[in-house]
Amino acid sequence: DAGVIQSPRHEVTEMGQEVTLRCKPISGHNSLFWYRQTMMRGLELLIYFNNNVPIDDSGMPEDRFSAKMPNASFSTLKIQPSEPRDSAVYFCASSISRTFGTQYFGPGTRLTVL
Amino acid sequence: TQLLEQSPQFLSIQEGENLTVYCNSSSVFSSLQWYRQEPGEGPVLLVTVVTGGEVKKLKRLTFQFGDARKDSSLHITAAQPGDTGLYLCAGGRTGGGADGLTFGKGTHLIIQP
Repeated sequence: DAGVIQSPRHEVTEMGQEVTLRCKPISGHNSLFWYRQTMMRGLELLIYFNNNVPIDDSGMPEDRFSAKMPNASFSTLKIQPSEPRDSAVYFCASSISRTFGTQYFGPGTRLTVL
Repeated sequence: TQLLEQSPQFLSIQEGENLTVYCNSSSVFSSLQWYRQEPGEGPVLLVTVVTGGEVKKLKRLTFQFGDARKDSSLHITAAQPGDTGLYLCAGGRTGGGADGLTFGKGTHLIIQP
């Protein structure tokens, strides 16, 4: 079975540009999570969805960040406009929504904003 | 805000030595999970502990959940170079399947041959 798929794996962009990160969860999983990892702050939860519905977006840093899950097999995280401090590795994870379930992480997207 | 503090932040030891890393919080978690992350990859779940005082073993790795469910430890016996990686602890309200996790900043472990 394929794991969580993220694209692109690497993204380099200039400040002010729009960035869209993509995630395909594991088939059959109904929870999807977006995390961001930096050396300074570690791994932080940005937002998560259950059954395609956003449940908690309190970790989204600013209005420049938005996430959507139009169907069970696809989610996007968009940054508009991007800033250098957004540089980080962004991970998507999916799980079956049940107590003590396992979150399976994708390989991440390394974003560099110049 | 629930926070998880991990120590040490960095640890470099020789192959064959034993080590313990710690994960502490001022808050109670319903469960704690330990992940291992290798460069260029996402974290991979090692274990979930849910009961205060619980001990779980995974080959040479021993995980313990504190009695008050606020802290956890990971002990590695006879460390091997393949154990090198970033070890992360994470806590959640329902254990991770149905809600997001709070992660510690991790322990960077290097096992030298």
